[in-house]
Amino acid sequence: QITLKESGPTLVKPTQTLTLTCSFSGFSLTTSGVGVGWIRQPPGKALEWLAFIFWDDVKRYSPSLRSRLTITKGTSQNQVVLTMTNMDPVDTATYYCAHTWTPDYMDVWGKGTTVTVSS
Amino acid sequence: QSVLTQPPSASGTPGQRVTISCSGSSYNVRINYVYWYQQLPGAAPKLLIYRNDQRPSGVPDRFSGSKSGTSASLAISGLRSEDEADYYCATWDDSLSGEVFGGGTKLTVL
Repeated sequence: QITLKESGPTLVKPTQTLTLTCSFSGFSLTTSGVGVGWIRQPPGKALEWLAFIFWDDVKRYSPSLRSRLTITKGTSQNQVVLTMTNMDPVDTATYYCAHTWTPDYMDVWGKGTTVTVSS
Repeated sequence: QSVLTQPPSASGTPGQRVTISCSGSSYNVRINYVYWYQQLPGAAPKLLIYRNDQRPSGVPDRFSGSKSGTSASLAISGLRSEDEADYYCATWDDSLSGEVFGGGTKLTVL
């Protein structure tokens, strides 16, 4: 059974860097075709894709946020880390990670973690 | 404004069939797989349809997906109260080199 759980700060200040961790079980990021994606959803708004990382370390980023995002495999084999720099109140959202099959098939999602950007 | 266009709302009565559309372009829907996600109130999105018209195990066959040209559709037959949720379409956009979501459709079961 595949499960994912997002973790990180619930509150960050404007201009700070956000670091989120996706901890997962039930699959390996060394398996061909497997990846992890990050998606966010501002309160009352639509889903927005942020980034993918795949088993072969290929990374894909949202073109509108590319300069602010970095996705990496964590030090633990069962973690993926997303960092977003220069946080702004408009980045307030629930952030989800999802198990992904190449190229973009997000089949199992975590429950999400809420991040508020405020001074 | 989303790259994929969905109606903001849809409604139906129990037992009815409703369809939700997702309009894109030659850079996304026409050439890539379309996915549909269901988001119940207060919950994370759940994959409903993958690769245009495939249902993951556990998804009732009341849900079906289709695609033609630059548009895709999600159909829900035998509407039930528990189908009341937000529905999102998604696909890869080759011109943006990124995954794109529709703006979402809020389905109300009257």
